[in-house]
Amino acid sequence: KQEVTQIPAALSVPEGENLVLNCSFTDSAIYNLQWFRQDPGKGLTSLLLIQSSQREQTSGRLNASLDKSSGRSTLYIAASQPGDSATYLCAENAGGTSYGKLTFGQGTILTVHP
Amino acid sequence: NAGVMQNPRHLVRRRGQEARLRCSPMKGHSHVYWYRQLPEEGLKFMVYLQKENIIDESGMPKERFSAEFPKEGPSILRIQQVVRGDSAAYFCASSPNRDKQFFGPGTRLTVL
Repeated sequence: KQEVTQIPAALSVPEGENLVLNCSFTDSAIYNLQWFRQDPGKGLTSLLLIQSSQREQTSGRLNASLDKSSGRSTLYIAASQPGDSATYLCAENAGGTSYGKLTFGQGTILTVHP
Repeated sequence: NAGVMQNPRHLVRRRGQEARLRCSPMKGHSHVYWYRQLPEEGLKFMVYLQKENIIDESGMPKERFSAEFPKEGPSILRIQQVVRGDSAAYFCASSPNRDKQFFGPGTRLTVL
């Protein structure tokens, strides 16, 4: 059974700080991992997707890494802004017979204060 | 290319009524997934469909819930005889190839 864990559960930082969100997963045969952002009462916005053959992906101020051997992914946010405040979710696509089905972590609630 | 569309965005039902949630995938996407987000819980997979076929329904409750994705028209998640515990946000996602998933805005179901 796939399990995805995210730490910390909540994070509050001042504007401008660089920060790291952590995600761990149990299935080393992961197919890909996707990071999402969810604003209160809204849907999910895909931020980055890392295939199992990749080590990292970058988009603007965001960088996500994937280490299959340790079962970990990190989302690095540079120079945080108040607009980055949201819940960040990681989701594992385990492949195989679970191909396509995403298993989500509980999320990290990020607050960036001015 | 419009994103994934879900309607209604908010749905209120009384206990015992039926709820029908609709999802129109992005153009060219033939894979549809439904997820449920219960209050104070994470997103949980419910069902995966590919045009006219249910591929994986391992996350669907055994009773009262059903899903379809007809050849023409949106995917439908149907909940019969709703109970208060069904109150949640229901999200639909679509994908062109079972890889990256694109999510809709969700339908927030409230059961009175």
